[in-house]
Amino acid sequence: GDSVTQMEGPVTLSEEAFLTINCTYTATGYPSLFWYVQYPGEGLQLLLKATKADDKGSNKGFEATYRKETTSFHLEKGSVQVSDSAVYFCALSTPHFNKFYFGSGTKLNVKP
Amino acid sequence: KAGVTQTPRYLIKTRGQQVTLSCSPISGHRSVSWYQQTPGQGLQFLFEYFSETQRNKGNFPGRFSGRQFSNSRSEMNVSTLELGDSALYLCASSSENRGLNTEAFFGQGTRLTVV
Repeated sequence: GDSVTQMEGPVTLSEEAFLTINCTYTATGYPSLFWYVQYPGEGLQLLLKATKADDKGSNKGFEATYRKETTSFHLEKGSVQVSDSAVYFCALSTPHFNKFYFGSGTKLNVKP
Repeated sequence: KAGVTQTPRYLIKTRGQQVTLSCSPISGHRSVSWYQQTPGQGLQFLFEYFSETQRNKGNFPGRFSGRQFSNSRSEMNVSTLELGDSALYLCASSSENRGLNTEAFFGQGTRLTVV
């Protein structure tokens, strides 16, 4: 079945450090891939998305590239800020179904 | 454009009771999905409604049910509450009818505590 696996957290970084959160997926067909972010006490906010192989999603300095050959969608940011501290979820949705499969979430702590 | 609105934000219920949660999607969105979020199980899909019809259902017992009204607002109901039902319940709305570029917009959730 369809699933998403992302790296365990928490990830603790100093401000201005480079961030990578790994995400791999298993899916039948051709899924769309997403990164969502959740701040304490809030719902999920879409961070970026990619809908086909080799697409790069980007937003607020975050990037992720849809790699079909490695079934991956790793999240990167060149220089994190304290305000980026949150939980990040990798997700996929498959064509014809408005159903999302989420990874377990990775908590990011950024220290000043 | 208003976002997805979930009410209430917080609920405390006793085991055995039932509860109804409400979700108003973004104006114009006809697909509403529900997810349960717990520390142990993460985010799990409950069900999806489109134009008042349930299209997808996750692996939850029959105590969990939902419906969608003609204005796309949705409710989910949990009967005979158990302690394990304590969770954040998230509603998501989407505009596309199973389109490839569908993205989901989430509400802030309803935090249900069963005591």
